[in-house]
Amino acid sequence: EPEVTQTPSHQVTQMGQEVILRCVPISNHLYFYWYRQILGQKVEFLVSFYNNEISEKSEIFDDQFSVERPDGSNFTLKIRSTKLEDSAMYFCASSWDRGMNTEAFFGQGTRLTVV
Amino acid sequence: GENVEQHPSTLSVQEGDSAVIKCTYSDSASNYFPWYKQELGKGPQLIIDIRSNVGEKKDQRIAVTLNKTAKHFSLHITETQPEDSAVYFCGLGTSGTYKYIFGTGTRLKVLA
Repeated sequence: EPEVTQTPSHQVTQMGQEVILRCVPISNHLYFYWYRQILGQKVEFLVSFYNNEISEKSEIFDDQFSVERPDGSNFTLKIRSTKLEDSAMYFCASSWDRGMNTEAFFGQGTRLTVV
Repeated sequence: GENVEQHPSTLSVQEGDSAVIKCTYSDSASNYFPWYKQELGKGPQLIIDIRSNVGEKKDQRIAVTLNKTAKHFSLHITETQPEDSAVYFCGLGTSGTYKYIFGTGTRLKVLA
């Protein structure tokens, strides 16, 4: 069964450092997403990406965040200068349809800890 | 903008009993309503979804109902089992947007 894969599973970083979270979406999917989940809270939308550009982003996704699809398979989230409050579980997801009426498949997540 | 409220936040049921989780939304343009199950330390996984042209959908012990007029949809789990214990999130897809949004989650505990 196809799946979204994320690496690393756990990342610890010093405050102020840059981190890159990596994702390999399902191969025939066209839409890609990053979500964040602070411990015990809801899954929050960060950004969606289609056709090599951002389709939509939330207020959380400020200038410290960027996304990139550097090749045909990877999809990355970069945080330029991490803050303590960036500590969370980050989920990558993908879907094949633009109509927002098909399933989004989620990866297992990357737990980011900023110290 | 889109918003979805989910209740209850926690739910404990005896094994074999039914569990019901309800979500309400505000945007009438919302047309896709998925339910995700999240087990500890894992990513959310879709368990059932429904589109706005359907009022009810069932898959074995799981069913989802949608009331478009009242703008609410519910997850029903019958004959609950301990392995149903997890956090359940309702979701929302809306035409004209490029995101899914999620409720605050319901922690379901099935007591053996």
